[in-house]
Amino acid sequence: ELKVEQNPLFLSMQEGKNYTIYCNYSTTSDRLYWYRQDPGKSLESLFVLLSNGAVKQEGRLMASLDTKARLSTLHITAAVHDLSATYFCADPNSNSGYALNFGKGTSLLVTP
Amino acid sequence: DTGVSQDPRHKITKRGQNVTFRCDPISEHNRLYWYRQTLGQGPEFLTYFQNEAQLEKSRLLSDRFSAERPKGSFSTLEIQRTEQGDSAMYLCASSFGAWTEAFFGQGTRLTVV
Repeated sequence: ELKVEQNPLFLSMQEGKNYTIYCNYSTTSDRLYWYRQDPGKSLESLFVLLSNGAVKQEGRLMASLDTKARLSTLHITAAVHDLSATYFCADPNSNSGYALNFGKGTSLLVTP
Repeated sequence: DTGVSQDPRHKITKRGQNVTFRCDPISEHNRLYWYRQTLGQGPEFLTYFQNEAQLEKSRLLSDRFSAERPKGSFSTLEIQRTEQGDSAMYLCASSFGAWTEAFFGQGTRLTVV
């Protein structure tokens, strides 16, 4: 069974703090995607990680990929309220046309 | 707006009725995916098209569900004899090829009463 597991599922953090969201996946894929979803809205692409050791940064978010460990991380630096959202990681499933296999998401709330 | 567009955005229907959703992908994208998302869960794959060919269907896609993509452009997802368990957000995504980034539409939120 294909699994994508995110940890934690819920995260409440204060503004200015740092934290890391973890994503473990079960396939042998060498790429991993991160999306953001605001309540009631669709998914916004954040990062596409294309190979082992890939690291990408955008503002206060940085994502990395370790294909050997089948682990991706999303690191939040100096959180601000605008980052409050649900974050999903997903890996492509070669058995279904590389459709994305999503985790359950990490619901992030950044408080003052 | 040149993104993925879905219509309608919201649909409330009575149990047993049929509903149809439309997705217009980004124009040069040859791949189109349908997903379903329920509250508190990640999107789950339903089916995908490469151009006009439907190449894979998830076991989640019961016989009451049918999808088409005539001429490889827009796609429709029809649910016949809706059930309360069909209530969900239905998301469409498109990409150019298998390995490239997929862009999602705003989704159609279906409520079956």
